Parts: sequence; C-alpha cells; structure tokens
Amino acid sequence: KAGVTQTPRYLIKTRGQQVTLSCSPISGHRSVSWYQQTPGQGLQFLFEYFSETQRNKGNFPGRFSGRQFSNSRSEMNVSTLELGDSALYLCASSLSATGELFFGEGSRLTVL
Amino acid sequence: GDSVTQMEGPVTLSEEAFLTINCTYTATGYPSLFWYVQYPGEGLQLLLKATKADDKGSNKGFEATYRKETTSFHLEKGSVQVSDSAVYFCALSDVGGGSEKLVFGKGTKLTVNP
Repeated sequence: KAGVTQTPRYLIKTRGQQVTLSCSPISGHRSVSWYQQTPGQGLQFLFEYFSETQRNKGNFPGRFSGRQFSNSRSEMNVSTLELGDSALYLCASSLSATGELFFGEGSRLTVL
Repeated sequence: GDSVTQMEGPVTLSEEAFLTINCTYTATGYPSLFWYVQYPGEGLQLLLKATKADDKGSNKGFEATYRKETTSFHLEKGSVQVSDSAVYFCALSDVGGGSEKLVFGKGTKLTVNP
C-alpha cells in the first residue's frame, strides 16, 4: 500500500513569491492534515481537511491556505513568502478519528 | 489551550542503556496520547498510543503509560539500540472533538552510540 506522497520534496523560492505544495494521501483516507516543522517552533498544526471541507485551522496568517479535492488529494498554498516560512511542511492522512496519522516525508521549503 | 511539554534533550546514550523521555500534558478534555518518531530524513511515524487513563501503549520494546493523575505519558525502553537514534515527539489529540488535530511537544533527539 502506497504511503503519503508529497511533492515537491525540495524547493527554493525568494521572498514575495508564492508556492503550492501537493499531498496524495493513502488510498481510502479521507482526512488530510498539514503541519509546519521548524527548529524553533517545532511542529505546528496548519489545517485539516475532511471530504473537501476544512475541519480545523491553526493559528497561521491568511497567506497560508489549502484545499482538498474530491479524490482526497490536498494542496496548500503560501503567498507572499517570507524568510520565516522556510520550513519542512508535513502532510498526514488518516482513515478514521483515532488520532493515528500517517505522515509523508515532507516538502522542504527554503525562502531566500 | 492544550499543550505538551517534553524534555528537549539532546539525549545521548550507549547501546543497551535504559531510556526515559518525560512527557506531560495539559488538556481540557480527555485526550488520546501518542509517541511519534522521526528518523533522519523521514516523516513522522506512530510509535505507540494510549486512548484512556492507565492504558499502556507498547511497540518495538518501547512503552508508555497514560497517567491521568500526573498528566504524564513518559516513554521508556529497557535497552536501546543504535537504530533507535531519532527524534521522538509526544503528542495529544482530542479526537472526541471531531478533529484529527495533534498537539506536539518540541521533540527529543536521541543518539545511541555503539
């Protein structure tokens, strides 16, 4: 069974640009969550989607947005990039409300 | 809001040593508790979980017991191996709220030397 797939794995952007990250969940998983991981702040929750609806949102500015498609694939977008947005962005999917998340390897974003 | 506090380390041990990583939590409801592990260059993997008070989660020789009275979920292993070197995250989830959101501790980096 294929795991959670995130693309791209690495990317470099400059301040002011925007970026879109993609996540394909495990087949059959309808819930997708996104987390930002940085050395200073650790793992912080961005948002969670279930059946194309945003179910929960973390404390991030409006520059961070996401969506989920009918096939459960998800994308997140960050507009007007800032240096502080440099991080590993992790996507996770789950089958049911057990709190057991399956994480992808992440997309490492560097903002110059 | 809910929060998780864990010893940040880094922790360096010799092979076959005993491991304890402390984790305490603050939550308004009755959360489920988790330990996730992140090996170098990889995403997080669930190591073990406990869903109610006095439950013991175990996997790969690691154990943790949900202690409601002390709001703790300490991770232990009797004899660590070099392959256990990784970053360990304690987390909670209030799944009863209809959300899968996890609140993580800052992580503890473990290095095991041969």
